[in-house]
Amino acid sequence: SQQGEEDPQALSIQEGENATMNCSYKTSINNLQWYRQNSGRGLVHLILIRSNEREKHSGRLRVTLDTSKKSSSLLITASRAADTASYFCATDDSGNTGKLIFGQGTTLQVKP
Amino acid sequence: SAVISQKPSRDICQRGTSLTIQCQVDSQVTMMFWYRQQPGQSLTLIATANQGSEATYESGFVIDKFPISRPNLTFSTLTVSNMSPEDSSIYLCSVGQPGTEAFFGQGTRLTVV
Repeated sequence: SQQGEEDPQALSIQEGENATMNCSYKTSINNLQWYRQNSGRGLVHLILIRSNEREKHSGRLRVTLDTSKKSSSLLITASRAADTASYFCATDDSGNTGKLIFGQGTTLQVKP
Repeated sequence: SAVISQKPSRDICQRGTSLTIQCQVDSQVTMMFWYRQQPGQSLTLIATANQGSEATYESGFVIDKFPISRPNLTFSTLTVSNMSPEDSSIYLCSVGQPGTEAFFGQGTRLTVV
């Protein structure tokens, strides 16, 4: 079953603009991760944020986590056409098994 | 990190037939996972492939439809049996430990006609 929802489902912006994607989840978590998928291929890990962290940066990526609201956001700054992809949040299951529960995903299109 | 070789990358199959997907990892890993991604949808976990024991299936997935093998710590197969058009999806294998990033194969895009 899906953990929660992501919004928006689709986002179209111009190169150079910032893109913000949101993810909500339902259960308590140990960590939340963001992944990128190009054209239905394999997923690439972007960033992991632990439940005791509120914000994390990696290059042009900024992730926030609000455990009280059970939500996270991914901000991509100064977007590039190459950022065009689908982005998914994923949370670990409560059993500490390594399984991931994915959100619905946001499809981002960056126009040159 | 782990590098996963998944094959085939895509296939078009006749309904009623079966397809076996292979995943080879470049290092020994304890946990391997199989996911399905239906068209335009997110990923859903099919099962956890356990070395030396039967796979653990998620709700809605059964061994008769998706038999899994895990003969050693670097290899696993997923078979999609008695296929119907509803099985058309991308199938992905993954490895990972709790609390760390997961690594994915490139996926198998299956079309059933």
